[in-house]
Amino acid sequence: DTGVSQNPRHKITKRGQNVTFRCDPISEHNRLYWYRQTLGQGPEFLTYFQNEAQLEKSRLLSDRFSAERPKGSFSTLEIQRTEQGDSAMYLCASSLVVSSVGPPQYFGPGTRLTVL
Amino acid sequence: DAKTTQPPSMDCAEGRAANLPCNHSTISGNEYVYWYRQIHSQGPQYIIHGLKNNETNEMASLIITEDRKSSTLILPHATLRDTAVYYCIVRVATNYGGSQGNLIFGKGTKLSVKP
Repeated sequence: DTGVSQNPRHKITKRGQNVTFRCDPISEHNRLYWYRQTLGQGPEFLTYFQNEAQLEKSRLLSDRFSAERPKGSFSTLEIQRTEQGDSAMYLCASSLVVSSVGPPQYFGPGTRLTVL
Repeated sequence: DAKTTQPPSMDCAEGRAANLPCNHSTISGNEYVYWYRQIHSQGPQYIIHGLKNNETNEMASLIITEDRKSSTLILPHATLRDTAVYYCIVRVATNYGGSQGNLIFGKGTKLSVKP
């Protein structure tokens, strides 16, 4: 097990283009989270999945953002009609929830998006 | 908003113990204290978490005050590779199917370990 992986690591796009990021969680982890981090700030929660169900979405997740986890394994985050304000590091994390004790989340290396 | 208060920066000499404080005076009885760190340009790394008892693992020790309103993360022998931003987060325990999934990060403490 090599941990959470994210692809691509870097993405440069022009304003108005669509981009898609992929996250592969730690094997058998049932929860998957997406966060966004801008320069000098801590990560901000976007959304999370329990298996294939999307259980919570932040108000930061505008209509241009969509996330899927179709088979309860990997997840994709798509941003449509990108804007310069979307430039950020997009982080994915996963955890294994089996009881009421809060499990730690394990983060991937992130995808850095630059919108020109 | 984050429920914790941390100093924005700290320095520590290499080989010495680094003690990072965190204030969480409004913590609820069912909230855990989590610590993560983020080395430049990498994803956050989980360090340790606890409810009310002190905890220790291979990376660090977590000391939680008896009233649970503050805690200290201790790196016993800091190295240059421990230079990072350290985040203290309080969070409810996650029930299966519950909605309290996300972590709320503040700005953390930037720890600089110097030779």
